[in-house]
Amino acid sequence: QLVLTQSPSASASLGASAKLTCTLSSGHSSYAIAWHQQQPEKGPRYLMRLNSDGSHSKGDGIPDRFSGSSSGAERYLTISSLQSDDEADYYCQTWGSDSWVFGGGTKLTVL
Amino acid sequence: EVQLVESGGGLVQPGGSLRLSCAASGFTFSSYAMYWVRQAPGKGLEYVSVISSNGGSTYYANSVKGRFTISRDNSKNTLYLQMGSLGAEDMAVYYCARDSSEYSSPSYFEYWGQGTLVTVSS
Repeated sequence: QLVLTQSPSASASLGASAKLTCTLSSGHSSYAIAWHQQQPEKGPRYLMRLNSDGSHSKGDGIPDRFSGSSSGAERYLTISSLQSDDEADYYCQTWGSDSWVFGGGTKLTVL
Repeated sequence: EVQLVESGGGLVQPGGSLRLSCAASGFTFSSYAMYWVRQAPGKGLEYVSVISSNGGSTYYANSVKGRFTISRDNSKNTLYLQMGSLGAEDMAVYYCARDSSEYSSPSYFEYWGQGTLVTVSS
């Protein structure tokens, strides 16, 4: 079964970096994912597609501070030079044969 | 600029029905698969349904299969979700979203609307 696992919460200081993790279920380590950001009281926003080889393509207007990387079944989202409005929920999402799956989301707190 | 504007949400009694709409602009609507995704209060995102660009293929999450129907009118650039037999578990903000690629198998959500709230209560 295709499942994505995310830690419920993460925190980092203003100006520092944060690295969020999304783990694909066993047997699905070659799958690409997408990262989405949801700021408080707003709709989600697409950040990037991230492939298993670490290559990624970002959405319109997404700053260079956002980057992605991959290792095995792990997919990472790194946000550098954290700003206050990076405080948000971050969701990974993938797709398979007639299935579309979200991770549970990570709430990022900027200290 | 891609815009997706949902409407049709509101208060409905348990067991009732509701139809959501999503008006699309800023892209060739008929070229893209479209999705409905929902978010219950304080919870994460949940895929609900997807429809192919020409409307010929539809898929549903198990939680709504047999109760919800997705459709589209490419002449009106509008996506729909007909919801029936609504229960408390269906109470959520419903978002429409556009797929990433033209004329391809549905994959990931590249553009999102702002959502419409569905409240199920007597």
